[in-house]
Amino acid sequence: NAGVTQTPKFQVLKTGQSMTLQCAQDMNHEYMSWYRQDPGMGLRLIHYSVGAGITDQGEVPNGYNVSRSTTEDFPLRLLSAAPSQTSVYFCASSYSAAAGGTQYFGPGTRLLVL
Amino acid sequence: AQKVTQAQTEISVVEKEDVTLDCVYETRDTTYYLFWYKQPPSGELVFLIRRNSFDEQNEISGRYSWNFQKSTSSFNFTITASQVVDSAVYFCALSGSPRPGGYNKLIFGAGTRLAVHP
Repeated sequence: NAGVTQTPKFQVLKTGQSMTLQCAQDMNHEYMSWYRQDPGMGLRLIHYSVGAGITDQGEVPNGYNVSRSTTEDFPLRLLSAAPSQTSVYFCASSYSAAAGGTQYFGPGTRLLVL
Repeated sequence: AQKVTQAQTEISVVEKEDVTLDCVYETRDTTYYLFWYKQPPSGELVFLIRRNSFDEQNEISGRYSWNFQKSTSSFNFTITASQVVDSAVYFCALSGSPRPGGYNKLIFGAGTRLAVHP
């Protein structure tokens, strides 16, 4: 099993550009989520999905879109990048969507918006 | 509201010292789960432990141990005989019980950076 994979590892964008961060898992996990990590703030939930076709907003959803057409993939789209979106983005998955399921994280994508 | 506080921003120790990382949480849920994750300098997040609110037994895994106390809403992490490889940022996280819209959302503390010097 590759676990949770993320691409790209690093990306530089200009303000206003759009891009998609890819996330895939091969563990047949029901639950997937996106977090952003900023200095001194821990990780904050952006969006999550409890199964194919079902997504919902987390704590900091503005400026991001998600979709989940398959169990394996959960891409995160930045519609119009802003410097405030400079961050490290982590995708995670869990076998269960119920609270308490252990979430396993991908290696992260470091994004710089100029 | 749920909240996790890691009051220690940075800790610096010399190898072989014992070190305790503090975690205090707030939740109104009667069923909840607590986690610790390690983020080494390479950047990935590594799961260390999961504990549910009904299990207050302390956990020991090699040099790592965890002390869960509901009375003080704390879930502290101790590394015994620290090593340079323990240098990392450590995150404590909380997940509450299922309720409408309340799926598996992790609430993270800000993290504690541990530096172990030779």
